[in-house]
Amino acid sequence: AQSVTQLDSQVPVFEEAPVELRCNYSSSVSVYLFWYVQYPNQGLQLLLKYLSGSTLVKGINGFEAEFNKSQTSFHLRKPSVHISDTAEYFCAVSDLGRDDKIIFGKGTRLHILP
Amino acid sequence: GAVVSQHPSWVICKSGTSVKIECRSLDFQATTMFWYRQFPKQSLMLMATSNEGSKATYEQGVEKDKFLINHASLTLSTLTVTSAHPEDSSFYICSAPTGTGRNTEAFFGQGTRLTVV
Repeated sequence: AQSVTQLDSQVPVFEEAPVELRCNYSSSVSVYLFWYVQYPNQGLQLLLKYLSGSTLVKGINGFEAEFNKSQTSFHLRKPSVHISDTAEYFCAVSDLGRDDKIIFGKGTRLHILP
Repeated sequence: GAVVSQHPSWVICKSGTSVKIECRSLDFQATTMFWYRQFPKQSLMLMATSNEGSKATYEQGVEKDKFLINHASLTLSTLTVTSAHPEDSSFYICSAPTGTGRNTEAFFGQGTRLTVV
């Protein structure tokens, strides 16, 4: 079975400072990894995804994530955050192409401080 | 990218009534769709897999008689919350994958906020 652990439920960070949101996964098979962002009362928007190849994945809005197989991690980073980045961020794992289910972590709320 | 439309975006209903939520893939066909439920400040919990032309597959702990799923066509899945109660109040989100193998990507509807009073 697949699972995702997001270690931080909330992360406060000052505007223009760097941020890292942590994500660890567990799976017995090859997986695809995702980060989604959810703004209040809205659906989910895909930030980036890792399927294979380069372990450093670049996404939208200046975010990037690094897949680390040995540490089973897929941490999300941004070098300089903006107030508009305030949202809930979900790490997710899937075996897309098999049963296509996406399993989500509990989410990390990013608070941008002025 | 592909578009998944969910309707309504919000609904308020009286306790004991039923509510239907629609999920449509607008520019692609989806033989499978997924329904999630999200409680306030919590993650999305997969409720069920909606399969076109066959019965839905429910996750453990989800009452199939409570949450009726119908995947009537390749572009439409509906979730009906029957005899709704206040504890059913939540944010419901559907998603549909498109593509094959490693090109598969999931697209999400904008969600439906259900409030049962």
